[in-house]
Amino acid sequence: QSALTQPASVSGAPGQSITISCTGTSVGSYNLVSWYQQHPGKAPKLMIYEVSKRPSGVSNRFSGSKSGNTASLTISGLQPEDEADYYCCSYAGRSTVVFGGGTKLTVL
Amino acid sequence: QITLKESGPTLVKPTQTLTLTCTFSGFSLITSGVGVGWIRQPPGKALEWLALIYWDDDKRYSPSLKNRLTITKDTSKNQVVLTVTNMDPVDTATYYCAHTETPDAFDLWGQGTLVTVSS
Repeated sequence: QSALTQPASVSGAPGQSITISCTGTSVGSYNLVSWYQQHPGKAPKLMIYEVSKRPSGVSNRFSGSKSGNTASLTISGLQPEDEADYYCCSYAGRSTVVFGGGTKLTVL
Repeated sequence: QITLKESGPTLVKPTQTLTLTCTFSGFSLITSGVGVGWIRQPPGKALEWLALIYWDDDKRYSPSLKNRLTITKDTSKNQVVLTVTNMDPVDTATYYCAHTETPDAFDLWGQGTLVTVSS
């Protein structure tokens, strides 16, 4: 069960779009990838599940996709409050999951 | 409204066993498909999944920590308990419990509890 690989950091200006990648063999094996947003000192918040589904209340500026062993989180129309750490998570078989190393998003 | 809250010691000594309790409301762990998981986060580091228990008492553990973890539930008290044996300073982390009804996602989280391992 290997951790998923994410870029350490990404940045974008307000109004722009950014994409965070998440790579791993478990990503390619199952259509079961979720994404979490975490502000400093706060608990993670679910933003995307099952690759591309948004929970109720999550802005449609957040979208998810997958190609092969890489899943992606795209945030469009960047806003200052989007600045946070983002983690991907994938089902890894036998009812286990694995998280990515996290990506720090800076809104310039 | 679903809520979860972690409780337990804030400081443990090396080699001791850590026992954490997740007390939840707004759902039942006897409902088909429902699970509660534990995830931890060392200061300044990434999330790490630890364990998961389902409504049918199916239990799953992180392969890397499997030998040190035990997860149990008390449905009458709406609690899930995680024990971690042989604690080490590298186990210093914020420990979260979270609700799940899908194989890949934890949709609601507790506030977390910081556990420091130090002599």
